[in-house]
Amino acid sequence: DGGITQSPKYLFRKEGQNVTLSCEQNLNHDAMYWYRQDPGQGLRLIYYSQIVNDFQKGDIAEGYSVSREKKESFPLTVTSAQKNPTAFYLCASSPGRDRGSKAFFGQGTRLTVV
Amino acid sequence: QKEVEQNSGPLSVPEGAIASLNCTYSDRGSQSFFWYRQYSGKSPELIMFIYSNGDKEDGRFTAQLNKASQYVSLLIRDSQPSDSATYLCAVNRGQKLVFGQGTRLTINP
Repeated sequence: DGGITQSPKYLFRKEGQNVTLSCEQNLNHDAMYWYRQDPGQGLRLIYYSQIVNDFQKGDIAEGYSVSREKKESFPLTVTSAQKNPTAFYLCASSPGRDRGSKAFFGQGTRLTVV
Repeated sequence: QKEVEQNSGPLSVPEGAIASLNCTYSDRGSQSFFWYRQYSGKSPELIMFIYSNGDKEDGRFTAQLNKASQYVSLLIRDSQPSDSATYLCAVNRGQKLVFGQGTRLTINP
């Protein structure tokens, strides 16, 4: 089955810890995105990548880091510098840099600071 | 001014009626427009996309785009209780995909 897989589904982090959220896709998509969603809110863009070994900051990149070493993988690290990390994190991918490319989402990771 | 704006609702519509969801955007250079449906606790699901001015129909859904007014809408005909969800408008801005805050829709039986 082709799709986008995020893991884990639920993640608990102690204050001061870094955690890494996994996102893998087998759709052969070039572009990948990370979004954050807070309760009752829309999606805010954290980072995006259009090709391997290249990525750009979105609107709320502070306290986050990413890598894109493989086309299939775009992991997100939530660092201790992110002061309010509790949120629903969504990874998406789309076929390419074409402005009409449609993006599809993984099932999300719900991160809670304990 | 937000890049993509939606009325957060909630919007309540009787079963069988037409639900109308609206979205405005600020960047006149935007070329592609998308509607996603998100059920509570789930990830967004793409339901419609539109690139040209006018209407695009797919089953009970119609997307409408007016680039001059920077306005995109989604109509849901014969609304069903299963249509109750949050609807997110998204717009391509360069290589970014920017979302509105979503409109919560409730269909009342």
